[in-house]
Amino acid sequence: GAGVSQSPSNKVTEKGKDVELRCDPISGHTALYWYRQSLGQGLEFLIYFQGNSAPDKSGLPSDRFSAERTGGSVSTLTIQRTQQEDSAVYLCASSPGTRYNEQFFGPGTRLTVL
Amino acid sequence: SQQGEEDPQALSIQEGENATMNCSYKTSINNLQWYRQNSGRGLVHLILIRSNEREKHSGRLRVTLDTSKKSSSLLITASRAADTASYFCASFQGAQKLVFGQGTRLTINP
Repeated sequence: GAGVSQSPSNKVTEKGKDVELRCDPISGHTALYWYRQSLGQGLEFLIYFQGNSAPDKSGLPSDRFSAERTGGSVSTLTIQRTQQEDSAVYLCASSPGTRYNEQFFGPGTRLTVL
Repeated sequence: SQQGEEDPQALSIQEGENATMNCSYKTSINNLQWYRQNSGRGLVHLILIRSNEREKHSGRLRVTLDTSKKSSSLLITASRAADTASYFCASFQGAQKLVFGQGTRLTINP
């Protein structure tokens, strides 16, 4: 079946604008994760969903970041009033939802804030 | 906070040689996972080793786990140019939050 998809693949925006990043998980996967990866760095956990609820949003760096998930499927990560330090690759992953599972990653969205 | 720390940060070897990467972690684990990332985009899951396992093989990959030392190693045998990538170890904080190390950048020279 299809893997995790993300859109757009690349996004260039101006400082101060809002952006929305989309993630379509693997069908049937109940858990969904967002990570951020700055250039040459490891992955930084942002938020995870189980179904439509977010038990752990501890990684969101500021109140400019928010995420939602609807229908237990698609998720949107929104960054308001973007700053240059928000430039990074944003990765989404999903898993079947049982504990301690491997995660399946999408190709990421490369965000550049000018 | 980093749960896993990889060593070395970068490794360059000749094609056909073996590559060994190490990972240390801080807290007790249920399992430890290794992922590969090509060209800074999506990660691919390589192998998962449970806390009660000491060694696991998958094709040219061999992973070891030493829970007493809180460390793991990934060995890639008979390396190929296509193995050039970044490799990350990851372990769980809680049951769902996977925490990654900074990664090892592996370059295979022809």
